[in-house]
Amino acid sequence: DSGVTQTPKHLITATGQRVTLRCSPRSGDLSVYWYQQSLDQGLQFLIQYYNGEERAKGNILERFSAQQFPDLHSELNLSSLELGDSALYFCASSEKGRVGELFFGEGSRLTVL
Amino acid sequence: QKEVEQDPGPLSVPEGAIVSLNCTYSNSAFQYFMWYRQYSRKGPELLMYTYSSGNKEDGRFTAQVDKSSKYISLFIRDSQPSDSATYLCAMSFNNAGNMLTFGGGTRLMVKP
Repeated sequence: DSGVTQTPKHLITATGQRVTLRCSPRSGDLSVYWYQQSLDQGLQFLIQYYNGEERAKGNILERFSAQQFPDLHSELNLSSLELGDSALYFCASSEKGRVGELFFGEGSRLTVL
Repeated sequence: QKEVEQDPGPLSVPEGAIVSLNCTYSNSAFQYFMWYRQYSRKGPELLMYTYSSGNKEDGRFTAQVDKSSKYISLFIRDSQPSDSATYLCAMSFNNAGNMLTFGGGTRLMVKP
């Protein structure tokens, strides 16, 4: 158990809809990262938050947004969903200053029909 | 062409075999090199971490980085059925923190 909690584990929705994925980082970790894992693109970095502030952005679509709340949990919002958004979405957290050591949650599997 | 290439496998070996997993990359600016293991329906977990070039050993696992060839390897000695998983290499630049670039993963199956 990595200590990172993600909900929901599975989500099935229709094209055009909006969903919210939730993540609670390990106790004490201030950084939260969102990654997307798909069969064709592999595991790709989306966005990072540190103590409530956006710190870095990767290949995140404009239809997607995230935030980190004062209690450090984070939410990833996906809107105007398309079939190609079907993927595993992972949240990870890390200790301050530790490069390379990410603790991943078990992921949220999104299926868009 | 992807920045980090990895043979998807599957790689099937008998129990006790030495396993060699590899990644090649195109960007010479990568400085941090990691190997993650991902079991089915689970999140990736860090196995090995190396900064810049060289070797690192941890139990049955050895990670090697050859920056001149842009090539990294993970060796698993005395492989066990419990090592059956997908192995992902990952890399990062200086000042890029944990914005990791992952390879596509190699699926390993160790047969008893």
